[in-house]
Amino acid sequence: DIQMTQSPSSLSASVGDRVTITCRASQSISNYLNWYQQKPGKAPKLLIYAASSLQSGVPSRFSGSGSGTDFTLTISSLQPEDFATYYCQRSSTFGQGTKLEIK
Amino acid sequence: EEQLVESGGGLVQPGESLRLSCAASGFSIRSYWMSWVRQAPGKGLEWVANINEDESKKYYVDSVEGRFTISRDNAKNSLYLQMTSLRAEDTAVYYCVRPRLAYGYDAYDMWGQGIMVTVSS
Repeated sequence: DIQMTQSPSSLSASVGDRVTITCRASQSISNYLNWYQQKPGKAPKLLIYAASSLQSGVPSRFSGSGSGTDFTLTISSLQPEDFATYYCQRSSTFGQGTKLEIK
Repeated sequence: EEQLVESGGGLVQPGESLRLSCAASGFSIRSYWMSWVRQAPGKGLEWVANINEDESKKYYVDSVEGRFTISRDNAKNSLYLQMTSLRAEDTAVYYCVRPRLAYGYDAYDMWGQGIMVTVSS
């Protein structure tokens, strides 16, 4: 089975910061990588699909890149509403999550 | 408005059974692979099971294989998860999810609100 490993597991940042979260696959997955945002008590929300495609309605400060085994989610300028937990996903496997907290 | 609404959760004792339902509205599930994803309290997301459009293909995470059964009724626009021999480690919020595109695997762009299942004596 393919394993998905996110780093870091938690991250403290300030409003306006540029933030990058990494997801690594245990073997090549081409561009079959999705990113989700989850806020407490809410269902996850799709942000990025196919590694770099922005889901409709998602702000352009979110971007994704990568292919093969290494992927990144970047938030160009953190907004207060971006503090949440982020998950990468490939098919039936999710990363363990990255909790983004206010510094 | 397109939405998924789960029901059927609750508190059960270990070894008991429970059936979750997911009612879709605003679109037809007929063309979609549908899935269940769960999240234990304070933990990450875990894919549980999925089912193709005509029920000919069903897949499960190893930990529920043989205990859970996913099914669907396209005429009722509904998805189901029959859970038997429940264990404490099945305690979680269960989400019904739909992929972006019909007729295949894709990112999950629609999620239900989630339903809590608690297995405890």
